[in-house]
Amino acid sequence: EVLLVESGGGLVEPGGSLRLSCAASGFTFSTYSMNWVRQAPGKGLEWVSTFVSWNNAIYYADFVNGRFTMSRDNGKYSLYLQMNNLRVDDTAVYYCVRYGYGEVAFDYWGQGTLVTVSS
Amino acid sequence: DIQMTQSPSTLSASVGDRVTITCRASQSISSWLAWYQQKPGKAPKLLIYKASVLESGVPSRFSGSGSGTEFTLTISSLQPDDFATYYCQQYNNPWTFGEGTKVEVK
Repeated sequence: EVLLVESGGGLVEPGGSLRLSCAASGFTFSTYSMNWVRQAPGKGLEWVSTFVSWNNAIYYADFVNGRFTMSRDNGKYSLYLQMNNLRVDDTAVYYCVRYGYGEVAFDYWGQGTLVTVSS
Repeated sequence: DIQMTQSPSTLSASVGDRVTITCRASQSISSWLAWYQQKPGKAPKLLIYKASVLESGVPSRFSGSGSGTEFTLTISSLQPDDFATYYCQQYNNPWTFGEGTKVEVK
């Protein structure tokens, strides 16, 4: 069974930092591209970043603007998102999401971890 | 970046109704279009990818069509479990989602 479990969310002041983690199991982690997607309270889904497994390319949404860094440790079956200089509008549930093989889209989602940026 | 526009934003329907949701891309995305279902407090669930391919385990009352810039998600006979919010997504880099369509009880 594919499982993605996020952790590391919490309350942080504007300008602060957080590191999100995602523990993966039930599939060969190293062979899949992975994503972070977020959802602000009461709002829609917003793509954050993608780590392409086959060439290690990393892509970020424009709003990231150098503040977030996505990484992975294939040996630990883990995905990370280091978030710096957080803003109030970064408040959201952050989902760890697997990118399916071939033509399949985002096929498995974690339960999400809530990040609240507030003073 | 490619913008995705869904309509309607809210849809009121009854059990047994045929429901159609539309998603338009600001430029051609071929068939790189997925549909997701999300229930309150839960993670989204993939329903359809490549515009019309049903994800494994998804009921056959769900179907998708379209290519280029215009796409539709159809629920042939709405069931109680289908009241939820639906999102389209184009999956060319950079990846973008539509704003969502909430299907509510009429």
